Amino acid sequence: DAGVIQSPRHEVTEMGQEVTLRCKPISGHNSLFWYRQTMMRGLELLIYFNNNVPIDDSGMPEDRFSAKMPNASFSTLKIQPSEPRDSAVYFCASSLNRGNYGYTFGSGTRLTVV
Amino acid sequence: DAKTTQPPSMDCAEGRAANLPCNHSTISGNEYVYWYRQIHSQGPQYIIHGLKNNETNEMASLIITEDRKSSTLILPHATLRDTAVYYCIVRATDSWGKFQFGAGTQVVVTP
Repeated sequence: DAGVIQSPRHEVTEMGQEVTLRCKPISGHNSLFWYRQTMMRGLELLIYFNNNVPIDDSGMPEDRFSAKMPNASFSTLKIQPSEPRDSAVYFCASSLNRGNYGYTFGSGTRLTVV
Repeated sequence: DAKTTQPPSMDCAEGRAANLPCNHSTISGNEYVYWYRQIHSQGPQYIIHGLKNNETNEMASLIITEDRKSSTLILPHATLRDTAVYYCIVRATDSWGKFQFGAGTQVVVTP
């Protein structure tokens, strides 16, 4: 298995532009999580899905952020419009939600908004 | 989920055992103890988890005290590649899979 795949690895964009981050979870995993990591705030859970349905988006910072999971093998996190304070590393993770399994994380997308 | 307390940093000599403590004095009966680590510029990596019995896998051992208020992650023979931030997380079985990461312990393995 190739693991959790995120794209792009790096993204540099100008303030005000739309940014879309992509994630392909491990095949067979039915839970998917989006995290954001900054030096100041550490790892923050933004939103998670179970069986493609958003369960808890209370960590999404504001309306500029949105996430979708149209099918079991793909999810997107969109920021529109982007701001410099959105600069961070965004991680996607997946797991089986039955039992007490740990997550498998992707390599992350480093977003820089200038 | 219960809170955890970890030392902010610790050093370990290469080849020696690294013992990473974690305090979770408010842990509930249905909460598991999980350990993850994050090597620089990589995503967090699951290491091990347990409820009340000690656990061992190819990466590490987890020792949980009898009262379950604290635990220790043991890396038996630390290598330079074990330099990372180690996170101890307590999570209930019905928490819909959510893991809340704290600040963790920065472990530096030195030659």
